[in-house]
Amino acid sequence: DAGITQSPRHKVTETGTPVTLRCHQTENHRYMYWYRQDPGHGLRLIHYSYGVKDTDKGEVSDGYSVSRSKTEDFLLTLESATSSQTSVYFCAISEEAGGAPYEQYFGPGTRLTVT
Amino acid sequence: AQKITQTQPGMFVQEKEAVTLDCTYDTSDQSYGLFWYKQPSSGEMIFLIYQGSYDEQNATEGRYSLNFQKARKSANLVISASQLGDSAMYFCAMREGTDSWGKFQFGAGTQVVVTP
Repeated sequence: DAGITQSPRHKVTETGTPVTLRCHQTENHRYMYWYRQDPGHGLRLIHYSYGVKDTDKGEVSDGYSVSRSKTEDFLLTLESATSSQTSVYFCAISEEAGGAPYEQYFGPGTRLTVT
Repeated sequence: AQKITQTQPGMFVQEKEAVTLDCTYDTSDQSYGLFWYKQPSSGEMIFLIYQGSYDEQNATEGRYSLNFQKARKSANLVISASQLGDSAMYFCAMREGTDSWGKFQFGAGTQVVVTP
């Protein structure tokens, strides 16, 4: 199994509070991703990283920021949580083939509830 | 705009039967990758199979095969000899070309229930 962990696994927070989710990998992969999963939408990409300090937005990046200061850690921050950000958040890492990201390995997910 | 379409929200299949899960995609890139993932009720995401846009042969992995029809932009997953453990949500995903290599996009998924 790919070495990828997420913390916390569950969190309940109040509207307006900041929240940071952590993704940690032991595989030394360049590509890391944050997704959210909501019923009827599959997984939607929030942000991704292609190296230390190299990040880019996905399709649902509003209200989220990320940081990657080390290869192994990718942090997702909700600056001011809203109820619409209640979701299950998945981190993923990706191997490369010919320089392109290939198979993704997913973390166990974080269930976030914003009340 | 939705780039990955899975038109079957749910389906039932009998054990030992084959099942085909539909996936169509939209891209103008020549180089792209197509992936299928399985998500059981426990929640983890499991990679099943990959097809590159330049691959001439359909990908196969054990009981999984990908019916790749490039001109139709379809990448259907075929599960042969279904087992009860195949009951899960299945997602089709695409990674587009060089300029947006990191941007994987997923379909909404198809829920498969295998019955005895």
